[in-house]
Amino acid sequence: AQRVTQPEKLLSVFKGAPVELKCNYSYSGSPELFWYVQYSRQRLQLLLRHISRESIKGFTADLNKGETSFHLKKPFAQEEDSAMYYCALVNAGGTSYGKLTFGQGTILTVHP
Amino acid sequence: SAVISQKPSRDICQRGTSLTIQCQVDSQVTMMFWYRQQPGQSLTLIATANQGSEATYESGFVIDKFPISRPNLTFSTLTVSNMSPEDSSIYLCSVMTGISYEQYFGPGTRLTVT
Repeated sequence: AQRVTQPEKLLSVFKGAPVELKCNYSYSGSPELFWYVQYSRQRLQLLLRHISRESIKGFTADLNKGETSFHLKKPFAQEEDSAMYYCALVNAGGTSYGKLTFGQGTILTVHP
Repeated sequence: SAVISQKPSRDICQRGTSLTIQCQVDSQVTMMFWYRQQPGQSLTLIATANQGSEATYESGFVIDKFPISRPNLTFSTLTVSNMSPEDSSIYLCSVMTGISYEQYFGPGTRLTVT
């Protein structure tokens, strides 16, 4: 069964500090991973997908198949980054095709 | 991406009653999904809404409790039947546009059952 683990429920940093939100996964096939973000009073929105290898709002995430990790990083956190972040894995085949399995989420707070 | 709306945005219902949640997308999409987010929990997939056929339910979810319709490629409904307080959750629909498995979410329906 596929599984996503985000070990930190809460993460606090100061503005300008680096931030890393951890995500580990378990999946038997070739993983397709995403980071979603939910700002206060807003809907869940897609932040990053690993296949694109792009940087969005200064965030990057690298898939490490050896460590089965997909950590989200930003070198200099901003107050507007404060939000709930979810790591998610998509089922790319079978009867649950398209199913997203979410981690428990990490609440990031960036202090001024 | 796709623009997704849900109705109602929230509701307070009495136990034993049913509520139907609507999800409307501004463009035709191949796949639509319904998720549940219980208080303090992450999102869990309820079912995949299939156009023209019965929905595909995940383990732990059954059609009698969560009947789903999808009459066309832009609209779906989820009904929460015979509600109990344990059904108090946020219910979200999502769509997959076919580009690299990207999914986009509606704003959610916050349901409270008393």
